[in-house]
Amino acid sequence: DGGITQSPKYLFRKEGQNVTLSCEQNLNHDAMYWYRQDPGQGLRLIYYSQIVNDFQKGDIAEGYSVSREKKESFPLTVTSAQKNPTAFYLCASSSLEGIYEQYFGPGTRLTVT
Amino acid sequence: AQKVTQAQTEISVVEKEDVTLDCVYETRDTTYYLFWYKQPPSGELVFLIRRNSFDEQNEISGRYSWNFQKSTSSFNFTITASQVVDSAVYFCALWSTGGSYIPTFGRGTSLIVHP
Repeated sequence: DGGITQSPKYLFRKEGQNVTLSCEQNLNHDAMYWYRQDPGQGLRLIYYSQIVNDFQKGDIAEGYSVSREKKESFPLTVTSAQKNPTAFYLCASSSLEGIYEQYFGPGTRLTVT
Repeated sequence: AQKVTQAQTEISVVEKEDVTLDCVYETRDTTYYLFWYKQPPSGELVFLIRRNSFDEQNEISGRYSWNFQKSTSSFNFTITASQVVDSAVYFCALWSTGGSYIPTFGRGTSLIVHP
């Protein structure tokens, strides 16, 4: 089945460690996105990418980094510079052919202690 | 600039009550899409509906219905005869077609349906 996978669902790290969240899609979508969600909050855009080897910062990119080496993969690294990394992270993708619809992965809940 | 306002932070109802979730949007574009997503406790966003700006017909899908009114820039969502399984956070989103590949989300409305 086509869709977006994020792994793992739950991730625990010690403060000061970098951690990479995986996002893979087999929908052949050009655009991919990373969002952060805090309890009781909406979605905040971290990074997005419209094409391989290119990506743009969203509203809260500080302390995060991404890469887009393959069309189907858009991993997000939460660096030690991110002051409050504990959150729920959602990956999404969309076609850029005028369809205007985002598909979301199941999310990764990151806890840093 | 685009903006989506979901003024209701949390709504609490008793099962079988009807409930309406409000969504008001702002955009200067004439062509755009509006969406509703459901986020159950598991966390994944579930797509419910997409409506384009040229289609103001209301839509009904089972117990769900949507009322789109361009005159008031609103796209409200009604659940009839609510059930406990409807408990979730609901997000309204706007995507203008003026060259942006980024939708704008509202802050969400948490719906709690009590048995």
